[in-house]
This record gives sequence, structure tokens and C-alpha cells, in this order.
Amino acid sequence: NAGVTQTPKFRILKIGQSMTLQCTQDMNHNYMYWYRQDPGMGLKLIYYSVGAGITDKGEVPNGYNVSRSTTEDFPLRLELAAPSQTSVYFCASSSTSALTDTQYFGPGTRLTVL
Amino acid sequence: QKEVEQDPGPLSVPEGAIVSLNCTYSNSAFQYFMWYRQYSRKGPELLMYTYSSGNKEDGRFTAQVDKSSKYISLFIRDSQPSDSATYLCAMTAGGKLIFGQGTELSVKP
Repeated sequence: NAGVTQTPKFRILKIGQSMTLQCTQDMNHNYMYWYRQDPGMGLKLIYYSVGAGITDKGEVPNGYNVSRSTTEDFPLRLELAAPSQTSVYFCASSSTSALTDTQYFGPGTRLTVL
Repeated sequence: QKEVEQDPGPLSVPEGAIVSLNCTYSNSAFQYFMWYRQYSRKGPELLMYTYSSGNKEDGRFTAQVDKSSKYISLFIRDSQPSDSATYLCAMTAGGKLIFGQGTELSVKP
């Protein structure tokens, strides 16, 4: 099992550009999450999904969009990138909705917006 | 005021030392308390979680919760260079998972 994979690993965007961060898991998990991690700020939940076709906002959803057409994939879309979106983005998945259940994290995408 | 406060460090200790990592929190509704370990350039991984006040041990790791003081700790005994990582505390309340800022630990051989 590859677990949770994310592409790209690094990206530099110009202000106003758009991009999609890809996330794929091969554990057949229903629950998937997108977090951002800023220096000294911990992880904050952007969006999550409880299954194919179902998504919901987390703590910091503004400026992002998600879709979940399959169990395996949960892409995160950035429209009109802003410097405030410079961060490390982590995708995670879990088999249940229990917050104490192990969330398996991908290696992250480091995004810089200039 | 942040809901969860964690000293970001960095913390540097010699191999074999006992390490104490701590978080304080302000929301008395937090129910479950977790510790994640994050190696450099990797995603976090769950180390252990606790529910009630008291201690929970797993090998060299002990998680301690004091709900009356709103204070949790992670102790690492006989620390190893392989323990060098950032440790994040996390807590749940109302269906939300709130992370601390993380403490960067370096264990020197």
C-alpha cells in the first residue's frame, strides 16, 4: 500500500494563478481531509469529505474548493492564489469519522505564492 | 488567546534523557487528547491518545492529562536520535480536532 500520496511536492505560484493539489489514498477510506500547516500555527482543517460526492467546510475554507468523485481521490483547488495561501498542505484519510481514529497523512505539498 | 498553546521549542537534549513536552488549553469541553509525531518533510502520525485524566503508557512514551489544570504532557524516556521530530498535541471538542503549534525536538547522540 502506498497510503496517502500527494502531488506536487513543491510549487511556486504567482498571485492570481490557480492550481489543483492532488491527493490519492489506496486504503479504501471513506473519510478524507485537507489541512494547511503554517509555521508556528499548527494544522488547520480546510475541507473534509465523508465519502464520494459529499464534502464539507472545515475551519479555513475561504479561497479553496474541493470535489470527491471517487473514494480514492480528493483534489484541492486554489483559485486566484494569494500570498496568504503560502503554506504546507497535507491530505489525510481515515476509516471512520472518530477524531481519535488514526488519520493517515500524506507527505505534504509546499506551496509558495509570490 | 489560542485554544491550545504549545511551546514551539526548539528543544535539544542528549541521547538517553527524559523529555517532557507540554500543552495547555483553555476550552474545558476538550474530551480526547492526542499526540502526533512529525518527522521533517513528512506528514504527522498519531502516537497515542488519552481520554481521562491520568497517565497512559506505550513503551518509552507516557501521555499525561490533568483536566483540572487544563494541561497535558508527553514524556519520552531514554530518548533516542530517532525521536528527533516535531511533536504536536491535538484535542477534540464538538466534532473538531484542534492542533497545537508543535514542539521541535532534537536528540543528540
